[in-house]
Amino acid sequence: DTEVTQTPKHLVMGMTNKKSLKCEQHMGHRAMYWYKQKAKKPPELMFVYSYEKLSINESVPSRFSPECPNSSLLNLHLHALQPEDSALYLCASSQDYGTVNIQYFGAGTRLSVL
Amino acid sequence: QQPVQSPQAVILREGEDAVINCSSSKALYSVHWYRQKHGEAPVFLMILLKGGEQKGHEKISASFNEKKQQSSLYLTASQLSYSGTYFCGTSYNFNKFYFGSGTKLNVKP
Repeated sequence: DTEVTQTPKHLVMGMTNKKSLKCEQHMGHRAMYWYKQKAKKPPELMFVYSYEKLSINESVPSRFSPECPNSSLLNLHLHALQPEDSALYLCASSQDYGTVNIQYFGAGTRLSVL
Repeated sequence: QQPVQSPQAVILREGEDAVINCSSSKALYSVHWYRQKHGEAPVFLMILLKGGEQKGHEKISASFNEKKQQSSLYLTASQLSYSGTYFCGTSYNFNKFYFGSGTKLNVKP
């Protein structure tokens, strides 16, 4: 089973709302990632958790707040987003963190900020 | 720092071959290849870990030229199911993972 599950699939929110994206994997992977993908662009790394600790934060605005409650779950809390934050948000996981590790992606959450 | 891919887009007829290139201005230690169909998640194809390595996956293979800091993906006798956007990817300093600029492949009957 190489499944990464993301919920919800679609999300529409206003600029004053607070919402959360959820990601789950049961492959025993110890690294989990959040990516942002704009239309016709490659995914861009936002955050990496390794062994439930935040390893990489790619200068992401504080209106995005990641959380890793346990090794299987990854959340992305959203607050006071801007319309330019509308994008596909992808979660991925890998056995470990490092250049040789294969990443398995979820289907993504398509976010629209009004 | 993002690897650059060429061509940006390619249209093929079923059965034709294609080559997608991935070039970097910095040394590559490994290269990943992913395919993403419209509205879906990127799917891993293969990883190349050292210079000169070549790997195959059905009719899709890849090579890695460490000296030239580039990798190429070869699609042979393309099928309709090969359509999608292909991304190479790498980590330069064993930290942040960068996807390449992407190549959109459209295979027509």
